[in-house]
Amino acid sequence: GENVEQHPSTLSVQEGDSAVIKCTYSDSASNYFPWYKQELGKGPQLIIDIRSNVGEKKDQRIAVTLNKTAKHFSLHITETQPEDSAVYFCAATIWDMRFGAGTRLTVKP
Amino acid sequence: DTAVSQTPKYLVTQMGNDKSIKCEQNLGHDTMYWYKQDSKKFLKIMFSYNNKELIINETVPNRFSPKSPDKAHLNLHINSLELGDSAVYFCASSQVSPSNTGELFFGEGSRLTVL
Repeated sequence: GENVEQHPSTLSVQEGDSAVIKCTYSDSASNYFPWYKQELGKGPQLIIDIRSNVGEKKDQRIAVTLNKTAKHFSLHITETQPEDSAVYFCAATIWDMRFGAGTRLTVKP
Repeated sequence: DTAVSQTPKYLVTQMGNDKSIKCEQNLGHDTMYWYKQDSKKFLKIMFSYNNKELIINETVPNRFSPKSPDKAHLNLHINSLELGDSAVYFCASSQVSPSNTGELFFGEGSRLTVL
């Protein structure tokens, strides 16, 4: 089955800096790569996603890049704010969604 | 109006007991899931149901039995609870078709503590 690895497990940045989280996947048949944000006591919520026919997607301060050849994809958050502090999960999907282990992002004011 | 709702939000019980967690979605989705999130925040799929039929059953002990009375509901029953079952259980739903792998909508989670 699909195996998703995510790095780093924790990330601490100063407000205003950029944050980058990286994931790799094992199954080249995976075709959908979402990123989820989980705030304390809540369920994960989709923040951005990318499909395998696209290399990059941007939505305001967040962007995702996908390298199908290398089987890795990354989340980029620019101008980070304290409210960006949360656990972020990447996932890779064929039929069912397999998640990375999560990255705890802390943005210091 | 909550899209995916699960109850109870918190559940504290003794080892050996049997308990259930209920989930309902009002999004009209065909597929529902149960995920387990352990203390290290790792999200692991347990079950997937599509139109009331079991699609995915990961290596979950048979003490865990999902029940889907209709496509809007997926309940999780756990027999003979063990300490290692302590976790947050998330219900989710999506609209999946052969040409579209859809976004997962998660419930708020049910924190199960086994003493």
